[in-house]
Amino acid sequence: NAGVTQTPKFQVLKTGQSMTLQCAQDMNHNSMYWYRQDPGMGLRLIYYSASEGTTDKGEVPNGYNVSRLNKREFSLRLESAAPSQTSVYFCASSQSSLSSYEQYFGPGTRLTVT
Amino acid sequence: GQSLEQPSEVTAVEGAIVQINCTYQTSGFYGLSWYQQHDGGAPTFLSYNALDGLEETGRFSSFLSRSDSYGYLLLQELQMKDSASYFCAVPGFHGSSNTGKLIFGQGTTLQVKP
Repeated sequence: NAGVTQTPKFQVLKTGQSMTLQCAQDMNHNSMYWYRQDPGMGLRLIYYSASEGTTDKGEVPNGYNVSRLNKREFSLRLESAAPSQTSVYFCASSQSSLSSYEQYFGPGTRLTVT
Repeated sequence: GQSLEQPSEVTAVEGAIVQINCTYQTSGFYGLSWYQQHDGGAPTFLSYNALDGLEETGRFSSFLSRSDSYGYLLLQELQMKDSASYFCAVPGFHGSSNTGKLIFGQGTTLQVKP
C-alpha cells in the first residue's frame, strides 16, 4: 500500500501560470482534503471532499479549485498563481468525514511562485 | 467558531518527560487528536481522545479533560528523534453539526537536547 501519493514533489511557477496538483489514495477512504502549510504555521484547509462527487470550501479556498475525479483521486488547481500561494501543499484522506480526526497525509508538494 | 491554543516551543533533554498542552474553544466537541510532523515531512496521526482520561501508546500518552476544554500529549523517555512539531486538532462544528473538517492548532516545536 502506497497510502497517499502526491505529484509533483516540487514546482516553481511564474506569477499568472496555472497548474494542477495531483493526489491519490489507495486505502479506500471516502474523504479527502487539501491543506497548505506556510513556514512555522499550522495546517490550513483549502478544500475537502466528504465523499465522491462532493466538495466543500475550507478556511482558505480563494484562488483554488478542486476536482474529486473518483474515489481515489482529488486534484487541486491553481488557475493563476500568485506569490502568496508559495507554500507546502498536503493532501490527506480519512475513512469518512465522521472520522476526520484520523487523517493520513501525503508527502507534500513544495510550490514556489515567483 | 473553533480555536486551539498550544505553546509555540518546548525544549527538553534526552531521557526526560515532556508535556505539550492544548486548550480548545469549540461550539461542539467530539474529541482531540494529536499529530507529529518532522521538519519537511508529512504530519502523522498519533492519537485521538474522545473520552476523559489518559490513553497510553508506548512512550506517548494523551490526556483529555472535556470539562476543562484541555488536553495534553505526554512524551516519556525522550529521544533525539522526537524532535518535531506536534499539533493538536479537533473536528470542526457548525452549530451542533460536525462539518467533517479538522481544525489544527498552530503547533508546538519540541527540541530535544542531548
